Amino acid sequence: GAGVSQSPSNKVTEKGKDVELRCDPISGHTALYWYRQSLGQGLEFLIYFQGNSAPDKSGLPSDRFSAERTGGSVSTLTIQRTQQEDSAVYLCASSRGRSGKLFFGSGTQLSVL
Amino acid sequence: ELKVEQNPLFLSMQEGKNYTIYCNYSTTSDRLYWYRQDPGKSLESLFVLLSNGAVKQEGRLMASLDTKARLSTLHITAAVHDLSATYFCAVDLGGGADGLTFGKGTHLIIQP
Repeated sequence: GAGVSQSPSNKVTEKGKDVELRCDPISGHTALYWYRQSLGQGLEFLIYFQGNSAPDKSGLPSDRFSAERTGGSVSTLTIQRTQQEDSAVYLCASSRGRSGKLFFGSGTQLSVL
Repeated sequence: ELKVEQNPLFLSMQEGKNYTIYCNYSTTSDRLYWYRQDPGKSLESLFVLLSNGAVKQEGRLMASLDTKARLSTLHITAAVHDLSATYFCAVDLGGGADGLTFGKGTHLIIQP
């Protein structure tokens, strides 16, 4: 595709529910990142995938968060038993390689009521 | 732990003026990125700086990197309203897979 695609663009959920956020990176980009941006804050690194290697999960804030990347392309970020503090914009980015320029998607605005 | 600090965090300036945004970081790195974010939008890559002394320019924006001082600057020349946005710097430690560490961003408002 022309850019990084994320869906849904907005998600409102009730506390305790599970949510899945999807990211479709730019074709050919081997590196994929998930970041979280809270209101008025910078970006918080969550997880990184490089090709078929095991992901670096060092940024995930709790074991309620998990992510997978199927076939080295589409990625899904799952948040189980959502809490109000999970409310944020979740941004996905991809790049050609480890140190390439990152191209960001438009993000998913998650609101946990 | 890598820390990235931007200043100022908020800047209001008039069109036609010059100003500089600073980005300091705490750990040795020779990879630094500048991004722009418009309200409600995602991040747009502005500059990639990959070595000490690197300087990149695009229109009224110029970015530089001093790895010895662990400092990058984003200089705005003769500001115009269209440059109003939030600007983030981000540092890459390289070698590992930590992703980029972002500063909190500089919210820039340029008034006509």
